[in-house]
Amino acid sequence: EMQLVESGGGLVQPGESRRLSCAASGFTFINYSIHWVRQAPGKGLEWVANIDQDGSQKNYVDSVQGRFTISRDNAKNSLYLQMNSLRAEDTAVYYCHILSGSFSYWGRGTLVTVSS
Amino acid sequence: SYELTQPPSVSVSPGQTARITCSGDALPKKYAYWYQQKSGQAPVLVIYDDTKRPSGIPERFSGSSSGTMATLTISGAQVEDEADYYCYSIDNNGHRWVFGGGTKLTVL
Repeated sequence: EMQLVESGGGLVQPGESRRLSCAASGFTFINYSIHWVRQAPGKGLEWVANIDQDGSQKNYVDSVQGRFTISRDNAKNSLYLQMNSLRAEDTAVYYCHILSGSFSYWGRGTLVTVSS
Repeated sequence: SYELTQPPSVSVSPGQTARITCSGDALPKKYAYWYQQKSGQAPVLVIYDDTKRPSGIPERFSGSSSGTMATLTISGAQVEDEADYYCYSIDNNGHRWVFGGGTKLTVL
């Protein structure tokens, strides 16, 4: 069974850092580029970042550029998001997501709350 | 930065046709994808590559694209189609993805 399982969320103080992980199983992880998408409470979906299959190409939404870093470890079938200098507006459920033609899969998400 | 524009809400009666539009400058060259999200659930892909329907998605869902506008059409909308719908695409450089703001579909 295909699975994407996010972890690492929680309550974080403004200015602090947090690392999210996404563990993949049930498919050939290295074949796909993979995205982080977030959804603030009661708000719409926002694409955050993506990374290509070998990790050489990374892209970010403007609001996190320079603060967040996406990475992957294909040997461990895992995706990461290092989040630094967190702000209240980063509060959201963070999903890892794959889209390749008709193949689309989402994890269940992990909630990050940035508050003092 | 690149933006996709959707109407905030669309309302139809059961059995009517619902159309949700998505406008973006890169859409003439880049595919649009459509996601359905029901409350508390992860999004579900209902249209990919502008017009294609994944397996398991009812035939009443269809997509089209012309110029800078993509359209999701639900022919004979049903109460269970009530959800938020998001268009999704990539900028002209092929680097950054973006979601539309979302459209709340009401069927009643």
